Amino acid sequence: DVKVTQSSRYLVKRTGEKVFLECVQDMDHENMFWYRQDPGLGLRLIYFSYDVKMKEKGDIPEGYSVSREKKERFSLILESASTNQTSMYLCASRKTGQGGAGEQFFGPGTRLTVL
Amino acid sequence: AQSVTQLGSHVSVSEGALVLLRCNYSSSVPPYLFWYVQYPNQGLQLLLKYTSAATLVKGINGFEAEFKKSETSFHLTKPSAHMSDAAEYFCAVSPTGGGNKLTFGTGTQLKVEL
Repeated sequence: DVKVTQSSRYLVKRTGEKVFLECVQDMDHENMFWYRQDPGLGLRLIYFSYDVKMKEKGDIPEGYSVSREKKERFSLILESASTNQTSMYLCASRKTGQGGAGEQFFGPGTRLTVL
Repeated sequence: AQSVTQLGSHVSVSEGALVLLRCNYSSSVPPYLFWYVQYPNQGLQLLLKYTSAATLVKGINGFEAEFKKSETSFHLTKPSAHMSDAAEYFCAVSPTGGGNKLTFGTGTQLKVEL
């Protein structure tokens, strides 16, 4: 089974802190994604990476950056956390070569609260 | 730009009743379409997907969806609801011309009552 793990289920940080959210997948997938999930808004794509050291902005990249130094790991960084970044963050991975038809596999999510 | 609209943020059904969750898409060409389910405190998992083969797609847990181009719809159904179906359901669309982006709807919370 594909497994996507996220470093924390719950995280509480203070405004202005630098925050790292880690995601690891064990199925050698090339593509990885970070979403944020908010009630009534569904999932919105923050960033994705189609290979090591490759990244592209999604729909809401402002206030976030990412790092992909190894194939299995994709990190989301909040440079200076703000209260409006309080949300559920979901990581996903997908094998390349299937185009838009490929299934994305999701981690359990990290619920981040910024005080 | 592609988008999906899910009608009804909350749907409530009785156990044993038909489940119908609505999804309409907007796209200049027929896209790939997906339904994902999110159980409480879990990530999303794929229920089923349409990739331009059969228009009636069967998924896990007894769910199915029918692609109707004329109605730009991809509604999710299950003949008989079970308590374990209570979850949030997301419709999503992806372009057929390549690319990585999956665009999600706003979700429908399904409640199943005794």
